[in-house]
Amino acid sequence: EAGVVQSPRYKIIEKKQPVAFWCNPISGHNTLYWYLQNLGQGPELLIRYENEEAVDDSQLPKDRFSAERLKGVDSTLKIQPAELGDSAVYLCASSFLGPGELFFGEGSRLTVL
Amino acid sequence: TQLLEQSPQFLSIQEGENLTVYCNSSSVFSSLQWYRQEPGEGPVLLVTVVTGGEVKKLKRLTFQFGDARKDSSLHITAAQPGDTGLYLCAGVGGGSYIPTFGRGTSLIVHP
Repeated sequence: EAGVVQSPRYKIIEKKQPVAFWCNPISGHNTLYWYLQNLGQGPELLIRYENEEAVDDSQLPKDRFSAERLKGVDSTLKIQPAELGDSAVYLCASSFLGPGELFFGEGSRLTVL
Repeated sequence: TQLLEQSPQFLSIQEGENLTVYCNSSSVFSSLQWYRQEPGEGPVLLVTVVTGGEVKKLKRLTFQFGDARKDSSLHITAAQPGDTGLYLCAGVGGGSYIPTFGRGTSLIVHP
């Protein structure tokens, strides 16, 4: 069974440029999470989806970050415009019907110059 | 916000040594998870503990959930270089079932 797939693995952009990350969760997993992980720290939740509905986005900086999960499967996280402080790893995870084990992708490492 | 404190933040040991890492909070959790994250990878679940006082063993790893369900520990016996990684605890509870992660303990085991 395929795991959570994320792309791109690495992205280097200049500040003020836009960037988008894509996530394909494990088939059948209703819940999808986007986490932000800074170097040497634990993941911090940005947004959680139950199917196609964003049910917890209180930590998402909505002035520059947006996310969508069309048809309740794949998801995209966008940053526009990117700032230097956005440099981090963006992790996507999925789970079956809410809490329990989270299955993470390998992450997308963003460097903003 | 449930705050999970992990200690130590960094640990560098020789192969064969034993170690314990801790995860503490002032909040009560319905369950607590431990993940290991290797460089360039996403975290992978090691274990979930749900009952106060529960002890789970996974080969050389022993996990304990505190009686009051506010803290947990991970003990590794005879560490090996393959144990190197970032160990993260994540608590679920307090009206939210979204796992909240601690900052992690970065472990390096030297051959």
